[in-house]
Amino acid sequence: AQSVTQLGSHVSVSEGALVLLRCNYSSSVPPYLFWYVQYPNQGLQLLLKYTTGATLVKGINGFEAEFKKSETSFHLTKPSAHMSDAAEYFCAVSSISSGSARQLTFGSGTQLTVLP
Amino acid sequence: NAGVTQTPKFQVLKTGQSMTLQCAQDMNHNSMYWYRQDPGMGLRLIYYSASEGTTDKGEVPNGYNVSRLNKREFSLRLESAAPSQTSVYFCASTERGAVSTDTQYFGPGTRLTVL
Repeated sequence: AQSVTQLGSHVSVSEGALVLLRCNYSSSVPPYLFWYVQYPNQGLQLLLKYTTGATLVKGINGFEAEFKKSETSFHLTKPSAHMSDAAEYFCAVSSISSGSARQLTFGSGTQLTVLP
Repeated sequence: NAGVTQTPKFQVLKTGQSMTLQCAQDMNHNSMYWYRQDPGMGLRLIYYSASEGTTDKGEVPNGYNVSRLNKREFSLRLESAAPSQTSVYFCASTERGAVSTDTQYFGPGTRLTVL
């Protein structure tokens, strides 16, 4: 079974400061990893994903994440926070299901607050 | 191109009532999914449909049924609503569900309250 742990349900940073959101996963097979963002009262949208190849993945809005197999981590970073980054962020791992569709297993989410 | 749409946006039910949540996508995607989102628990998969004509249970299927009406539409039915089903429900779709790298596209959600 696959699982995802997001450390810190709430993270606050000042505008212009580094954003670091932590994600650790467990998987018995090479994982495919995703970060999604959810703005208030909206659905989720993809920020970035790791499949194979380069372990540093760049996404939208200046976010990036690094896949570290030895640490089973996929932390999300952004060098300089903007007020518009305030949202909830979900890490997810793609798992093999018994049927023919792959399923996403989500972490519990991290609410990011950006302080002026 | 509206993406994934869901109706209704909000719903209040009394315990024991039934209702159907509707989901449609206009991206010609093969696979569709229903999730529920509860505070502190992330999203949990209720049911999914790998392709038209097939449905399978996810992590939390009890109390729900689904219908893949056609390639575009995937509905979720609560036969006898319970307060534990108060949640935000999201529908999602992927182009090719069997390919793990596919991005899931989400609808805006339905906020359901069961009294």
